[in-house]
Amino acid sequence: RKEVEQDPGPFNVPEGATVAFNCTYSNSASQSFFWYRQDCRKEPKLLMSVYSSGNEDGRFTAQLNRASQYISLLIRDSKLSDSATYLCVVNPPSGGYNKLIFGAGTRLAVHP
Amino acid sequence: DTEVTQTPKHLVMGMTNKKSLKCEQHMGHRAMYWYKQKAKKPPELMFVYSYEKLSINESVPSRFSPECPNSSLLNLHLHALQPEDSALYLCASSLPGTEISLHFGNGTRLTVT
Repeated sequence: RKEVEQDPGPFNVPEGATVAFNCTYSNSASQSFFWYRQDCRKEPKLLMSVYSSGNEDGRFTAQLNRASQYISLLIRDSKLSDSATYLCVVNPPSGGYNKLIFGAGTRLAVHP
Repeated sequence: DTEVTQTPKHLVMGMTNKKSLKCEQHMGHRAMYWYKQKAKKPPELMFVYSYEKLSINESVPSRFSPECPNSSLLNLHLHALQPEDSALYLCASSLPGTEISLHFGNGTRLTVT
């Protein structure tokens, strides 16, 4: 089983739609969780950290379910500029705080 | 614009060549990383330096040799690479601690012929 698994998509949605991505992780002792965004042929950029209580940043909401070992990202009122690949990132217990493992990414395409 | 600078942006090398990738950051970050990314795949961790010491080597072949001359610089020395090593090589940096936020450079797109 992969350490971090995501639905690869693509998710094709119209502008204004709400879309949700899920990510599962294999190691229940994983410590930190993040969502990164990667545009085509660009470097990944941090979108948001994921906290146990859930957190929101504008149109983006991230949640963590430790019991089921999954992380979610909800995007409300999708914009064309949200089109990108969304990478789930996990810090497993081995390797210390500097080891971050990336999921394969979920591709989002927002159309007019 | 990214605050982590990587050079060169593109590199083509033969299997017998020796070349180096360079990475520089001036954000005072004390952890620096090399990731490898193939097309349509996620970044794969190769090496981590923490306070200029190698802390993680993800069983990377010895034809890849990292070096951290100081807290701002990170190199990746390449020798006798294979065509399957062709990929985007991403450098990243972060503050050490419990909440790691990676700042990536634009990457070096490497082609091995």
